[in-house]
Amino acid sequence: DAGVIQSPRHEVTEMGQEVTLRCKPISGHNSLFWYRQTMMRGLELLIYFNNNVPIDDSGMPEDRFSAKMPNASFSTLKIQPSEPRDSAVYFCASSVRRPPNETQYFGPGTRLLVL
Amino acid sequence: DQQVKQNSPSLSVQEGRISILNCDYTNSMFDYFLWYKKYPAEGPTFLISISSIKDKNEDGRFTVFLNKSAKHLSLHIVPSQPGDSAVYFCAARAGSARQLTFGSGTQLTVLP
Repeated sequence: DAGVIQSPRHEVTEMGQEVTLRCKPISGHNSLFWYRQTMMRGLELLIYFNNNVPIDDSGMPEDRFSAKMPNASFSTLKIQPSEPRDSAVYFCASSVRRPPNETQYFGPGTRLLVL
Repeated sequence: DQQVKQNSPSLSVQEGRISILNCDYTNSMFDYFLWYKKYPAEGPTFLISISSIKDKNEDGRFTVFLNKSAKHLSLHIVPSQPGDSAVYFCAARAGSARQLTFGSGTQLTVLP
């Protein structure tokens, strides 16, 4: 059974360029989460979707970041324009809403470097 | 303000011995806790969880203990194996909230 799939695995871009990260959740999962991991802030939640609808985007750092989930099997996180401080590992996770014992399953991450 | 704290950035243990990883939290609303393991260049992998209605949960070599009064949980790995060498994250969730709050992680190294 395929886990969460993320692409690309690595991205190197120059400041000012647009970056799009992609995620395919586990089939049957109805919730999707985008996280960012940095040395300074650790793993922090950026945004999550439930049934393709954005529920909480309070973790999105600023307007340069946007996320979409056009269908149950695909989500994107876009940074436009990118800045060097956006360099981090971005993880996507998915889950089935099953309180209280809900578990999030993570993808391998996209390592982003903005020069 | 860190609501979930893992105060030990690293831990080294001899193969076959017990590894004990600790986690403290400050938010009394947290009622579900998870441990994730992360290898380099991979995403975090779910390991074990515990609800606040329990004080212990065991799965093979892994046991999580929860002390609600102290707002403390620990992960015990017995016996430790070299393949357990990874970063271990503690995470917590409050009630019906979907968000997980993660600690900063502890790098466990199991020496052969």
